Amino acid sequence: GAGVSQTPSNKVTEKGKYVELRCDPISGHTALYWYRQSLGQGPEFLIYFQGTGAADDSGLPNDRFFAVRPEGSVSTLKIQRTERGDSAVYLCASSSGTGVTEAFFGQGTRLTVV
Amino acid sequence: GDSVTQMEGPVTLSEEACLTINCTYTATGYPSLFWYVQYPGEGLQLLLKATKADDKGSNKGFEATYRKETTSFHLEKGSVQVSDSAVYFCALFTGTASKLTFGTGTRLQVTL
Repeated sequence: GAGVSQTPSNKVTEKGKYVELRCDPISGHTALYWYRQSLGQGPEFLIYFQGTGAADDSGLPNDRFFAVRPEGSVSTLKIQRTERGDSAVYLCASSSGTGVTEAFFGQGTRLTVV
Repeated sequence: GDSVTQMEGPVTLSEEACLTINCTYTATGYPSLFWYVQYPGEGLQLLLKATKADDKGSNKGFEATYRKETTSFHLEKGSVQVSDSAVYFCALFTGTASKLTFGTGTRLQVTL
């Protein structure tokens, strides 16, 4: 595609439910990043994939958060037992190499947990 | 740990006014420094960058100079336009981790 695509653009869910957020990176980009942007804050790193493997998942806040990228392209961020504090905009970015500084960002998925 | 501090917004300016958005950082090692911009309804975009001390990044009339002695990377523009209205994020990258560290963002509103 022309850019990084994230779906859905908005998601409202009830506390305790499970959600999946999808990221379609730019075709051919091997590196993929997830960030979380809470209200009034800058984006915070969650996880980085190089190909199919998670090269760095040190930013995942707890074991309710998990991400996969089974074929090295599309990635899904999964959140179990959602809490109100998970409400944020979840950003995805991709790049052709290993450099996050060359990455292109998607528009994000706004998650609201009620 | 690494951190970025930038001035709080919102910043409201009239068109053609001068802009300065302050950014200071704390980092281990020698970071590269960035300004990203987020226009309404769009994703984050890289605006400019500087990779070593005294480098000046520039793009679309915006400039920022990497000042190691003051650990700063202030964003400046001599004459803002309504189309510059956006949220601006200062960020750093040290290369020791695969992540950018962002500031909290500064919203700029330019009026006619």
